[in-house]
Amino acid sequence: NAGVTQTPKFQVLKTGQSMTLQCAQDMNHNSMYWYRQDPGMGLRLIYYSASEGTTDKGEVPNGYNVSRLNKREFSLRLESAAPSQTSVYFCASRGTGTGLSYNSPLHFGNGTRLTVT
Amino acid sequence: RKEVEQDPGPFNVPEGATVAFNCTYSNSASQSFFWYRQDCRKEPKLLMSVYSSGNEDGRFTAQLNRASQYISLLIRDSKLSDSATYLCVANRGSTLGRLYFGRGTQLTVWP
Repeated sequence: NAGVTQTPKFQVLKTGQSMTLQCAQDMNHNSMYWYRQDPGMGLRLIYYSASEGTTDKGEVPNGYNVSRLNKREFSLRLESAAPSQTSVYFCASRGTGTGLSYNSPLHFGNGTRLTVT
Repeated sequence: RKEVEQDPGPFNVPEGATVAFNCTYSNSASQSFFWYRQDCRKEPKLLMSVYSSGNEDGRFTAQLNRASQYISLLIRDSKLSDSATYLCVANRGSTLGRLYFGRGTQLTVWP
């Protein structure tokens, strides 16, 4: 029962390098999310995908791109990493079916700890 | 004004104490609410969904007051293992869209 799987768990990048954070869920969830968490800032939404085929910006989308590859997978790409993107990144998913699925809680992956030097 | 606001604490309580956290939300269209717990350097984990009539799960009780737009979490008989950060979350409207997180309330339970 894997739930939400994120890779990699840790990553160190140099300024200007690019990378893609991978996320996959096996719960048949409709919606997927990418958050970053910094000390004292709480969780901030980067991008989300309410359903397969759609993506929307969150609070802090600058410097990131996303791809909802299929219903299971939602990747986050940093095209040109900056030290300000040093953070812990969490992927999450929620919601099956229709109707009252907004009552569905988020399920989080274990996180990716990214350092940009 | 942030969509969801919490007292950041920290709350420091002895084992066995009862502690309550409050959380306010600004958007009256919010339909569903959750409490998450987050341990240091770990992912948030669902503690409770909050239902309109209030709900209880063992030592934990969640209440929702729509008129005043606040949610509360009560922890009775605190354990050392309850030490964590507690996050309040609101879902706006009736879609599977954004959820809004408070910044969290830090709790330390001491022996």
